[in-house]
Amino acid sequence: HLQLQESGPGLVKPSETLSLNCTVSGGSISSSSYYWGWIRQPPGKGLEWIGNIYYSGSTYYNSSLKSRVTISVDTSKNQFSLKLSSVTAADTAVYYCARLHGVGFDYWGQGTLVTVSS
Amino acid sequence: DIQMTQSPSSLSASVGDRVTITCQASQDISNYLNWYQQKPGKAPKLLIYDASNLETGVPSRFSGSGSGTDFTFTISSLQPEDIATYYCQQFDHLLPITFGQGTRLEI
Repeated sequence: HLQLQESGPGLVKPSETLSLNCTVSGGSISSSSYYWGWIRQPPGKGLEWIGNIYYSGSTYYNSSLKSRVTISVDTSKNQFSLKLSSVTAADTAVYYCARLHGVGFDYWGQGTLVTVSS
Repeated sequence: DIQMTQSPSSLSASVGDRVTITCQASQDISNYLNWYQQKPGKAPKLLIYDASNLETGVPSRFSGSGSGTDFTFTISSLQPEDIATYYCQQFDHLLPITFGQGTRLEI
């Protein structure tokens, strides 16, 4: 049974870089059938797609965040990561990692709340 | 970017009611439309993929239809455990992936 688990600091200071990892268990991140993605949800608001990565390292980012986002993959750890630079309070959100199968996200992590505050 | 307009934003219904949510895309997305259920404090759950296909393990009272720009999500007989927020999401292989604004369903 596939599981995804986000990890990283729950509090980040303004202007610093948010860094999260997503560890995949119960399946291989190197499968050619899937992309892996990050989605976020500000408190009380809707879902926003951040970006996707393929096991080969190919990435696709939301243009609204592209200048600040880096997603990377470490196949040896079965893990992929998110870095979001120059954060502000507007980046406070629950961050989810998920598997993209076809055109839908079929497996999700439980989510992790990241608060941007000094 | 493809914009997804979901309506209504909130909905109150009774147990046993038929519930319908609509999602309209700003351009033709064929059938590349998914529906998710999100309960408070939980991650979204994929219910319907490719507009009308029921994800494995999802009760048959959930269904989806549509293609092109207009899509519908239906719960045929509302159950208490269906209280949640529902989102549509498109990915017509044109980025970015976008979600509808969500429909909060209450009993």
